[in-house]
Amino acid sequence: GAVVSQHPSRVICKSGTSVKIECRSLDFQATTMFWYRQFPKQSLMLMATSNEGSKATYEQGVEKDKFLINHASLTLSTLTVTSAHPEDSSFYICSSRTGQETQYFGPGTRLLVL
Amino acid sequence: AQSVTQPDIHITVSEGASLELRCNYSYGATPYLFWYVQSPGQGLQLLLKYFSGDTLVQGIKGFEAEFKRSQSSFNLRKPSVHWSDAAEYFCAVGAAGGGNKLTFGTGTQLKVEL
Repeated sequence: GAVVSQHPSRVICKSGTSVKIECRSLDFQATTMFWYRQFPKQSLMLMATSNEGSKATYEQGVEKDKFLINHASLTLSTLTVTSAHPEDSSFYICSSRTGQETQYFGPGTRLLVL
Repeated sequence: AQSVTQPDIHITVSEGASLELRCNYSYGATPYLFWYVQSPGQGLQLLLKYFSGDTLVQGIKGFEAEFKRSQSSFNLRKPSVHWSDAAEYFCAVGAAGGGNKLTFGTGTQLKVEL
């Protein structure tokens, strides 16, 4: 099956610093990747849709200047949380869409901002 | 706008018993429907999906789901639950032909009693 990896799996940072999370599709090319955020005991909330070679499309209420997304290749998308604050602490999950309209998810990144 | 309702927040079953997790969706056209499973601190794993054709779909780990258009439902079933099935289960709906965003339900937490 399609495999998606994320790095790092867990990160702790100080308030005001920036954190980059990588999402890779390991065995297929993904023209579209998605970034989600999940709070404890809650469902996934879509943050943005990332298309290779173009600007990401952000969901309403998501600050594009705070959550920078770069989809530089067909197998890599990155999410950078800029000037992170404690309220940005969350579980961030990416997914990659295959040509068969199916999203495969990465294992997630736990971000803790102190 | 599309939406998904998972009426049961928590379900507890005994190992070996049958399981049914409910999912109701709202979508104006032909939906793409998915069930994902999430273990604690992990990403989502695709169990099964429905795009068209046979309304009873088989997935991994012995799961199946039935699409009932008249009831706008896509319930997940398993005839005999194993202790390892304890996890969070998410139903999701996507736009047919769009391959775009998924809308997730709030999830059902499954507990399996030995």
